Amino acid sequence: EPEVTQTPSHQVTQMGQEVILRCVPISNHLYFYWYRQILGQKVEFLVSFYNNEISEKSEIFDDQFSVERPDGSNFTLKIRSTKLEDSAMYFCASRGPATGELFFGEGSRLTVL
Amino acid sequence: TQLLEQSPQFLSIQEGENLTVYCNSSSVFSSLQWYRQEPGEGPVLLVTVVTGGEVKKLKRLTFQFGDARKDSSLHITAAQPGDTGLYLCAGADAGNNRKLIWGLGTSLAVNP
Repeated sequence: EPEVTQTPSHQVTQMGQEVILRCVPISNHLYFYWYRQILGQKVEFLVSFYNNEISEKSEIFDDQFSVERPDGSNFTLKIRSTKLEDSAMYFCASRGPATGELFFGEGSRLTVL
Repeated sequence: TQLLEQSPQFLSIQEGENLTVYCNSSSVFSSLQWYRQEPGEGPVLLVTVVTGGEVKKLKRLTFQFGDARKDSSLHITAAQPGDTGLYLCAGADAGNNRKLIWGLGTSLAVNP
C-alpha cells in the first residue's frame, strides 16, 4: 500500500541552526501539506503546496520556514534558524486528486536545544 | 475562527464497554474525517463522512455526521485494548476544501 515517508524520524539541533525535514508523498498525489504537533497540543496546519507553489500558509509559517519540491518526488520543509519553540513533531501529508482525505507520514520529531 | 471541540478529552474504560466520542462545531464542513493517532506516530485516517446524516461503520466503530454537517460522533462497541489511542476529528472548511480544522482529540485508554 502506498505511503508517505518522512526523514529523519528524529533530529536534535542547536537553537539557530538550519533544519531540513524531508517527505516523499504518495506518487500520484497532487496536494502536499506540512503540519506540526507540539507535545500535548493539537495538530496545527503550517502550509499547503500545489502545482509547485504554496497555496496556503498559516500564521505559524513565517519567514523562517520554506518548502520546496526540488525533484518531483521529495517535498521538504526548511526551518532557517530554529528556535526552542520549534520543537515538535512535524507531519507531512499528501492528498489524492479525488477526495479530501489526507495521508500522513509517521512524522519527524524535532528537538531544539 | 473555526473551532472543532471534541469531548470527552480523556476516557478510560474497561474492555467490553461501549463509548461515544463527540466532535462539535458551529461551522459547517464539507466533509469530516476521523483519525487515530498513537504516540510518536502520525494520524491514520479511519473514515471520511461527507453527507449530512451519513452513518458509516468500520467493524466495531460507527461514525455519524450530523444532519447540518456541523458535528459528528464516533461510537465504539465492545472496546478492546487495541482501540487505545488518540482519536482526532478534522473538518474540511466548506469554503476551502484544502484546509482541515482539527479538534484537540479524545485520548482513549481501554483497560484489559
